[in-house]
Amino acid sequence: QKEVEQNSGPLSVPEGAIASLNCTYSDRVSQSFFWYRQYSGKSPELIMSIYSNGDKEDGRFTAQLNKASQYVSLLIRDSQPSDSATYLCAVIKAAGNKLTFGGGTRVLVKP
Amino acid sequence: DAGVIQSPRHEVTEMGQEVTLRCKPISGHNSLFWYRQTMMRGLELLIYFNNNVPIDDSGMPEDRFSAKMPNASFSTLKIQPSEPRDSAVYFCASSFPTKSGGGNIYEQYFGPGTRLTVT
Repeated sequence: QKEVEQNSGPLSVPEGAIASLNCTYSDRVSQSFFWYRQYSGKSPELIMSIYSNGDKEDGRFTAQLNKASQYVSLLIRDSQPSDSATYLCAVIKAAGNKLTFGGGTRVLVKP
Repeated sequence: DAGVIQSPRHEVTEMGQEVTLRCKPISGHNSLFWYRQTMMRGLELLIYFNNNVPIDDSGMPEDRFSAKMPNASFSTLKIQPSEPRDSAVYFCASSFPTKSGGGNIYEQYFGPGTRLTVT
């Protein structure tokens, strides 16, 4: 079992709809969770971080964390073609500041 | 503020040659990370430093790879000798701890990457 797992996609979403991305992690002591967006040929860009159970909203993005079930999700509301990218889930375990990344989910928003 | 700076942005070299990648972290950040990204293996952590000291180099593929951080504003990743399978995009990232609740949180920021092609 991989430490951080994501569906590779592609996740095809019509413009204006909600894109829902999921990520599961194996280490129960993980404490910090991040979502990065990576456009083709570019570097990962941090878009959300979450540390406590529940929801965290930032603009059109909402991160959801459920530590008991060991999953973290990202919702993108009112999806735009410019949201088409690969979204990487990353986790820091309790000790240290080392990120472990999932394989990423490719999102395609169709006009 | 300037972000993480990497050079060169592109490097094409022949097998057997030495390659040196450079990174300048964001000013004030005390942790620096080197990653490699390929289609097959995704984003892999090679090594990271805290306060210029290597903490975890378990991701370094083999002895051909070495990394240094002589001061807080500069790091290098060297491959000697290079091989075609080293072809990848190499990213540098930096972070610093901020307080949240009862502990520290570390948000990492990536540089633009160096695309390495070894022929």
